[in-house]
Amino acid sequence: AQKVTQAQTEISVVEKEDVTLDCVYETRDTTYYLFWYKQPPSGELVFLIRRNSFDEQNEISGRYSWNFQKSTSSFNFTITASQVVDSAVYFCALSTDFGNEKLTFGTGTRLTIIP
Amino acid sequence: NAGVTQTPKFRVLKTGQSMTLLCAQDMNHEYMYWYRQDPGMGLRLIHYSVGEGTTAKGEVPDGYNVSRLKKQNFLLGLESAAPSQTSVYFCASRPLAGVGNEQFFGPGTRLTVL
Repeated sequence: AQKVTQAQTEISVVEKEDVTLDCVYETRDTTYYLFWYKQPPSGELVFLIRRNSFDEQNEISGRYSWNFQKSTSSFNFTITASQVVDSAVYFCALSTDFGNEKLTFGTGTRLTIIP
Repeated sequence: NAGVTQTPKFRVLKTGQSMTLLCAQDMNHEYMYWYRQDPGMGLRLIHYSVGEGTTAKGEVPDGYNVSRLKKQNFLLGLESAAPSQTSVYFCASRPLAGVGNEQFFGPGTRLTVL
């Protein structure tokens, strides 16, 4: 069975601080995909990034960066120089069922950026 | 392209009433999914479909039924609503091609069962 753990339920930081959101996953499959989605206060789910299990390169996109470490089964997300617009709930998700492409979500981390 | 749309956006039901949530996508996607989101529990898969005319159970299917008569539509039915079904419901879709591609989500339907 697959499992995604986001141990940080809520995080608050002051604007311009850096913040890291943790994601730990469990799977017996050797091939899998990991995702991050953002859910702003408006409620929609916005795709941020996808990473496959064979690509451990870190990725940077503007102020966002992701650190994938298979050795610790983690896929952490860092926001540099946080802004108020980053306030949202962030979900980490795992996909291993390539016939059905089902996603297993973590419980989410609510990030609040204090101006 | 409208992407993934959900109807209605909000609904209040009384216990025992029935209703159908409609999900429509205009991206010609093969896969469609229904999730529910509850506080502190993330998104949980209710039912999904890998193509027109096919449906399958997800993690929390009890109390729900689905139908995929047309490729672009995925209906979620509650035959006899219960307060435990108060939740935000999200529909998603993704194309057949490309392993590991992301799912595209609709805006959600907030359902309250009294």
